[in-house]
Amino acid sequence: DQQVKQNSPSLSVQEGRISILNCDYTNSMFDYFLWYKKYPAEGPTFLISISSIKDKNEDGRFTVFLNKSAKHLSLHIVPSQPGDSAVYFCPLPYTGTASKLTFGTGTRLQVTL
Amino acid sequence: NAGVTQTPKFQVLKTGQSMTLQCAQDMNHEYMSWYRQDPGMGLRLIHYSVGAGITDQGEVPNGYNVSRSTTEDFPLRLLSAAPSQTSVYFCASSQGYRGGYTFGSGTRLTVV
Repeated sequence: DQQVKQNSPSLSVQEGRISILNCDYTNSMFDYFLWYKKYPAEGPTFLISISSIKDKNEDGRFTVFLNKSAKHLSLHIVPSQPGDSAVYFCPLPYTGTASKLTFGTGTRLQVTL
Repeated sequence: NAGVTQTPKFQVLKTGQSMTLQCAQDMNHEYMSWYRQDPGMGLRLIHYSVGAGITDQGEVPNGYNVSRSTTEDFPLRLLSAAPSQTSVYFCASSQGYRGGYTFGSGTRLTVV
C-alpha cells in the first residue's frame, strides 16, 4: 500500500507560469514532509520540507503547502524556469525515530519556452 | 566535503557473478540507504542503516546484502547477479531524524 501518492505522472508548464505538483497521503501520523528533485543521470537532491505544525513553507521560488485535514501536500514553483524541468518526488516521510525514506514514481515536470 | 561517493559509476556483470557497490560519506551521517531506480518504478529502497552495526531491509532486499561496520561506509553486495538487477543504484545518507538525505551520483549496473 502506497501511503503517499503522486497522482500526476507528468506536467507541462510554460516558462514564467506557476507549476503545482501534488501529493496525497493516508497516514495522519506523518509529521514531516519533504520534496526532492531529480535530473536524469543524477541522484535526487533535497528541495524543501515542511513540518506538520505548519501549513506553508517558502524558499525563494518554491513554496510547499500542507493541508492536514485533506492529507494533501503541494509544491508551487513560481515563476517556473526551464532548469526546473526534472522529476519531483514526495517521499514517504519520517515517522518515529527510524529514518527510512521511501520514494514513489514521482512527477515529471517539463517547463517549456 | 566530498559528500556521498559511489564507486564504480558503471559496471557490466555476467549473470551469476558477484560484486560490491561501494558507498562512502564524509559528513558523519548516521543514516544511510541504498535505492535502485528502474524505468517506471521510481526509486525503491533496498536496505538501510540507522547507525554502525545496524541494518534493515527495505522494499526490495532480495539478492542484496549490506553491512555497516563504520559510520562512513555502507557497501551493497550482489551475491549472484541476475538480469533483473540491471538498474541504477543510488546510495544516500542523512544526519538523522528529519534530516534530508544527500544522494550519491549513482552506479549504473548492467547484468548480461
